[in-house]
Amino acid sequence: KNQVEQSPQSLIILEGKNCTLQCNYTVSPFSNLRWYKQDTGRGPVSLTIMTFSENTKSNGRYTATLDADTKQSSLHITASQLSDSASYICVVSDRGSTLGRLYFGRGTQLTVWP
Amino acid sequence: EADIYQTPRYLVIGTGKKITLECSQTMGHDKMYWYQQDPGMELHLIHYSYGVNSTEKGDLSSESTVSRIRTEHFPLTLESARPSHTSQYLCASSGNRGPDTGELFFGEGSRLTVL
Repeated sequence: KNQVEQSPQSLIILEGKNCTLQCNYTVSPFSNLRWYKQDTGRGPVSLTIMTFSENTKSNGRYTATLDADTKQSSLHITASQLSDSASYICVVSDRGSTLGRLYFGRGTQLTVWP
Repeated sequence: EADIYQTPRYLVIGTGKKITLECSQTMGHDKMYWYQQDPGMELHLIHYSYGVNSTEKGDLSSESTVSRIRTEHFPLTLESARPSHTSQYLCASSGNRGPDTGELFFGEGSRLTVL
């Protein structure tokens, strides 16, 4: 069964600190992995998209890594800001159909305290 | 900034009412999607469309219906709302390469509460 598991479920850190969010998946065949940021009451916004051949991608203070062999990804946030408080969702796409099906994780709820 | 818009953002209605959630995008995307999201849970695909006059049901069974008469417009309708329909509904679109390679843009969501 194709699944996407994220950890931790929730995380609280102090402003200025770094943190790392994890995503493990069993989706096969693999096409790409995306990280989205979803502010409370808003729609998700894309942070990064990585294909099989990419093992790291950065977007400002966000750096995503991908290990396609172990089927693991991480999202590292550097020098956190209050505005980083949000849910971070890992999404994996397969190549098994023309739909390019997406499998969503439940997200990690990050809270940054001043 | 994504050019995909949803209205209303919030809706509180009584059981049995008919509702339509609007979704429009100005990016010329062929592919559009409706997802349902409950607190702390993953997004579930309920409808998708690959172009005008093309609509399909997604993974999650839903009593809602959709239509795609124009490329930019993908409304979702509930003929008779029930409390079990209370949820966040997210509309999304993607470019012509599809969600397996292309960017997926989401609207801000419509929060539906059925009393």
